[in-house]
Amino acid sequence: DAGVIQSPRHEVTEMGQEVTLRCKPISGHDYLFWYRQTMMRGLELLIYFNNNVPIDDSGMPEDRFSAKMPNASFSTLKIQPSEPRDSAVYFCASSRDRGRQPQHFGDGTRLSIL
Amino acid sequence: GESVGLHLPTLSVQEGDNSIINCAYSNSASDYFIWYKQESGKGPQFIIDIRSNMDKRQGQRVTVLLNKTVKHLSLQIAATQPGDSAVYFCAEINNAGNMLTFGGGTRLMVKP
Repeated sequence: DAGVIQSPRHEVTEMGQEVTLRCKPISGHDYLFWYRQTMMRGLELLIYFNNNVPIDDSGMPEDRFSAKMPNASFSTLKIQPSEPRDSAVYFCASSRDRGRQPQHFGDGTRLSIL
Repeated sequence: GESVGLHLPTLSVQEGDNSIINCAYSNSASDYFIWYKQESGKGPQFIIDIRSNMDKRQGQRVTVLLNKTVKHLSLQIAATQPGDSAVYFCAEINNAGNMLTFGGGTRLMVKP
């Protein structure tokens, strides 16, 4: 079975540029989560969707970050404009249900903003 | 890059030995726990979960023990192999779907 698929795996860009990260969840999973992982803070939840609808975006750092889920098999996380402090590994995860279910992660996008 | 970050405890074991990784949680109402393995350059990989109505659950070469009295979880890996080298962390997922990780994890290093 295909797991969660993220692209690109690596992104290096200059500050001020727009960055778009992509995620394909596991088929049949109704929940999709975006996380950010840094050495300083560990794993932080940014936003999650249920049936393509954003439910909780309280973890999104600021207005420069936005996320969409136009259909059940695709989501994007966009940063515009990007800043060096956005450098991190961004993970997408999906789960079949909300509570008491394992979340399955993709291999992440390593983002470096110069 | 960042030079200061979460300090991860490290467990170093000989190949073939058993490994035990520990985790403490704080909320006595927590009732669902997961162990993840994260290899370098990869995402967290689900290993095993346990609900609070159990105190032990076994998978392939792994066992999770839950002690609700002292709010402690452990992950036991039998016959540890080089491919087990990774960071292991435990997390709770509550009924609202929020995942709370406990610490930054433990780095397991397997010596051949």
